[in-house]
Amino acid sequence: RKEVEQDPGPFNVPEGATVAFNCTYSNSASQSFFWYRQDCRKEPKLLMSVYSSGNEDGRFTAQLNRASQYISLLIRDSKLSDSATYLCVSSGGGNKLTFGTGTQLKVEL
Amino acid sequence: DVKVTQSSRYLVKRTGEKVFLECVQDMDHENMFWYRQDPGLGLRLIYFSYDVKMKEKGDIPEGYSVSREKKERFSLILESASTNQTSMYLCASSSLGQGIYEQYFGPGTRLTVT
Repeated sequence: RKEVEQDPGPFNVPEGATVAFNCTYSNSASQSFFWYRQDCRKEPKLLMSVYSSGNEDGRFTAQLNRASQYISLLIRDSKLSDSATYLCVSSGGGNKLTFGTGTQLKVEL
Repeated sequence: DVKVTQSSRYLVKRTGEKVFLECVQDMDHENMFWYRQDPGLGLRLIYFSYDVKMKEKGDIPEGYSVSREKKERFSLILESASTNQTSMYLCASSSLGQGIYEQYFGPGTRLTVT
């Protein structure tokens, strides 16, 4: 079983829609969680950190559920520029990160 | 602005060749990482380094070695390239200070071994 699992998608949504991705992790000792964004043929970049109390940054909201061992990312009012692959990431401590395989989002007119 | 650069965007090598992939970061970061990214497998950690001359194995170190002689430079070496090492290779760096978990990635090197 992969340490971090995501639905690969693609999620095809119209502009303005709200879309949510979930990600599950298997290592209960994981301490920190993040969402990275990777545009086509580009390098991954940190989108936001995920806290148990929830973390909101503009149209993006990330949530952590430790009891069920899943992380979510909600995008409101989707823009064409949100089209990308979203990587769920966990850390067991230190600087080593474990990446999910990514969920592809396509926002359409 | 953090910048991580990699020596080549595209590289084609023959089976059995020794391959060097270079990575340089300009932000005085302590930590540097080498990943490979394959469809359906995601990013997998090959090696990482916390300091000059220090290295730690990641999840898939077999067939690779690394060198970190200077803080800003981290090299990945394929001693004898094989076709199953055809992949996208990404270098990253991070600081021990603020943003401890934010890793900054280079643009990647797409390596093809024929």
